[in-house]
Formats: sequence, C-alpha cells, structure tokens
Amino acid sequence: EVLLLESGGGLAQPGGSLRLSCAVSGFTFDNYVIAWVRQAPGEGLEWVSSISGSGVGTYYADSLQGRFTISRDNSNNAVYLQMNRLRADDAGVYYCAKGVEMGTVFNAFDSWGLGTMVTVSS
Amino acid sequence: ETVMTQSPGSLSVSPGERATLSCRATQSLKANLAWYQQKPGQAPRLLIFGASTRATGIPARFSGSGSGTDFTLTISSLQSEDCAVYFCQQYNHWPPTFGQGTKVEIK
Repeated sequence: EVLLLESGGGLAQPGGSLRLSCAVSGFTFDNYVIAWVRQAPGEGLEWVSSISGSGVGTYYADSLQGRFTISRDNSNNAVYLQMNRLRADDAGVYYCAKGVEMGTVFNAFDSWGLGTMVTVSS
Repeated sequence: ETVMTQSPGSLSVSPGERATLSCRATQSLKANLAWYQQKPGQAPRLLIFGASTRATGIPARFSGSGSGTDFTLTISSLQSEDCAVYFCQQYNHWPPTFGQGTKVEIK
C-alpha cells in the first residue's frame, strides 16, 4: 500500500521558517516525482514544488520567489520542504503527492498524504 | 502559465442522473489532463489521468473525455457519495496548474 505522511506544519510568524517532511512507503521511491501542493482555507489547489525521482531536478512556483527549497533523501524515503521568509499568503494545508507515471516530472498525482496545516500569524 | 477554467462553478444533480463537468485550457494539453475529487477535510483523490484513463479503484461511472483544450468529466449515475468538489489539472506545460473546482451537490 502506498502511503505518504506529512509532518512539520504549525504556527510561524511572518518572516519565520518551517520545515515540512513527507515520509513515504509502499513504492520504489526513487522512480517517481514527489510534489508539494497547497490549499489555502476555502480555496483551490496550488502546485508549490516538485522534485524528480533522482533529486537532481527541482522545480518551484514563481510565486515563491526563491523562499522555499525542496529536497529528498532516497535512503530514508523522505521529501522535505524548507520554507523561509513565510508570508500570510503561504498559510494553508500542504499536501505531498506522488506522480502517477515513472520517470517524469510532468505528471498527475495518484497518491496524496493527509496534509499538514501551516499557519502564518503574529 | 496555462490557465484552467472549470464550469459550472456548482452543479446540483438528482441521484441516478448524469453529471457533466467541463474544463478548458488556454493552450493545447494534448491528453495531459487529470481530474480529482475532494471531499471536505480530505485530500484530493485522483479519478482520471491522461484525459480518459481511470485511476486504480475508481468506479466505472466516472469517465473522462476530450483532448487539446476542452475536456469533460462525466459521472453517469450520481451517487450520494459523489458529493464533492472536482478539480482538473494540466500537466502538459510547466508549471502544472489546477482549475478552480466544480462543486457537485445532490438535488
């Protein structure tokens, strides 16, 4: 069974930092892209960042303006999202998700975690 | 970026009736289009990818069609458990983008 489990969300002050983790199991981890997708309260889905199976390719939404860094540890089946200089509009539920097709970052996402909530407030 | 526009914004359908949801892209996607279902408090669930391929475990009443810029998700016989918000997502162009969602309710 494919499982993804996010952690690391919580309350951060504007300008602060959080590090999200996504622990995965049930598939050959380094064959698939992993993405972070967020959802502001009551809003739709927004792609945030993706990392290729090897970890060599990393991709970010332009709106992040270089504040977030995605990484993966293929020996521990985990993906991380380091979020710096947080803003109020970064708040929401952050999901990690697995690509449905091997070997490409251009992908739909067939398995999602339950999400972790990020709140940005002073 | 590729803008995805879904219509209608909400849809009320009687049980057992057909629901038809639309998704339009600002540029051609070939068949690189996915549909997701999201219920309150839950993560999105992949229904369809490649415009028409059902994901594992998805009931046959869900079907996808279309190519290029215009796509359709059809629920052939709406069940109460299908009440949810449905999102389309394109993955033909970078960055991947989602539609704003269609809320499906039981009449």
